[in-house]
Amino acid sequence: EAQVTQNPRYLITVTGKKLTVTCSQNMNHEYMSWYRQDPGLGLRQIYYSMNVEVTDKGDVPEGYKVSRKEKRNFPLILESPSPNQTSLYFCASSLRSGGTNTGELFFGEGSRLTVL
Amino acid sequence: AQSVAQPEDQVNVAEGNPLTVKCTYSVSGNPYLFWYVQYPNRGLQFLLKYITGDNLVKGSYGFEAEFNKSQTSFHLKKPSALVSDSALYFCAVRETNAGNMLTFGGGTRLMVKP
Repeated sequence: EAQVTQNPRYLITVTGKKLTVTCSQNMNHEYMSWYRQDPGLGLRQIYYSMNVEVTDKGDVPEGYKVSRKEKRNFPLILESPSPNQTSLYFCASSLRSGGTNTGELFFGEGSRLTVL
Repeated sequence: AQSVAQPEDQVNVAEGNPLTVKCTYSVSGNPYLFWYVQYPNRGLQFLLKYITGDNLVKGSYGFEAEFNKSQTSFHLKKPSALVSDSALYFCAVRETNAGNMLTFGGGTRLMVKP
């Protein structure tokens, strides 16, 4: 089954304790992205990756890191989490747009993070 | 720069009645437009898209959307709402030469009451 898998789905942590949210897709997609969803603000892009070893900042990258060492994986790293990073996080992937590919995003189920 | 506005935080409709969820966009070139739906505790699911051609686009679950270039709108519609349509709906846009960069609206919560 084609899917984007995120882990953990739920996490409560404390300020300053490093954490990683993993994301894996099995569709051989070139493009992967992380979003955070906050009430009233919709989805805001954190980082994205067009391919292996190619990453770039989205609209709200502060406090986050990513890496793309393999095509299928795109982990989100919070080196020193703070309470303002409490949010619902989504990983998404798609084929690279162009030609007949229009780049519809496939989303993971979300990871709800609470930083105390 | 590209942007999307969903002017209604919530839309309430009775089951069996038609529904409309509004979306307006701003791009400097030609747009690709998308609607996604999010059910509770789930990720976003693709509903439909407008790329080119017919202004009325049909998608999943009986939904359709009408592209209006002069009004820069892409409203989501359904002729007869179901209680199970209750969810959070997101409109998204990207310019045709903007790679995979999607910009999302703030979302509209649709409540369908029996």
